[in-house]
Amino acid sequence: EAGVAQSPRYKIIEKRQSVAFWCNPISGHATLYWYQQILGQGPKLLIQFQNNGVVDDSQLPKDRFSAERLKGVDSTLKIQPAKLEDSAVYLCASSLYDRGPYEQYFGPGTRLTVT
Amino acid sequence: QKEVEQDPGPLSVPEGAIVSLNCTYSNSAFQYFMWYRQYSRKGPELLMYTYSSGNKEDGRFTAQVDKSSKYISLFIRDSQPSDSATYLCAMRAPSGGYQKVTFGTGTKLQVIP
Repeated sequence: EAGVAQSPRYKIIEKRQSVAFWCNPISGHATLYWYQQILGQGPKLLIQFQNNGVVDDSQLPKDRFSAERLKGVDSTLKIQPAKLEDSAVYLCASSLYDRGPYEQYFGPGTRLTVT
Repeated sequence: QKEVEQDPGPLSVPEGAIVSLNCTYSNSAFQYFMWYRQYSRKGPELLMYTYSSGNKEDGRFTAQVDKSSKYISLFIRDSQPSDSATYLCAMRAPSGGYQKVTFGTGTKLQVIP
């Protein structure tokens, strides 16, 4: 079974520039998550999709971050414009379910550096 | 006060030692308790998953949950250098028809050969 794929793996941009990350979840997984992990901290949920609908985006800075999940499969996360404090690893995860006992599978992450 | 508290370490132990990793939490609605291992420059991977209070064992790993004290632990027996990683606790609680996950900050473990 193929894992969660993310690209790019690394990205360096200047502040005020835009950037987009892509995630391909495990086939058949209905739930997709984007997390932000700042160095030395645990992952923080940015947005959770169930199929192509948003379940939770309460911690997504909506003035600069946006995300979509096309046809309930792939997803993109965009930052426009980027700030220095956006430097972090952006993790995508997917799961078969979103309740009861289930396991989240994480991708390798995209490491973003904003200069 | 954070919902989930975890000592960031780093924790350094000799090979073969028993390692104890801990988290405390404040939200009594948490139902599921997980431990993830994260190697450098990798995504977290699930190690252990428990639903109720008590112990769960899987090989060298034992997860313990004490809901009355709002305290969870992960024990690693006969620690190996390959166990060197950051260990994240995570907990899930019902939230508006789905389950919301909250992670601890992670404890960095180094096992010295």
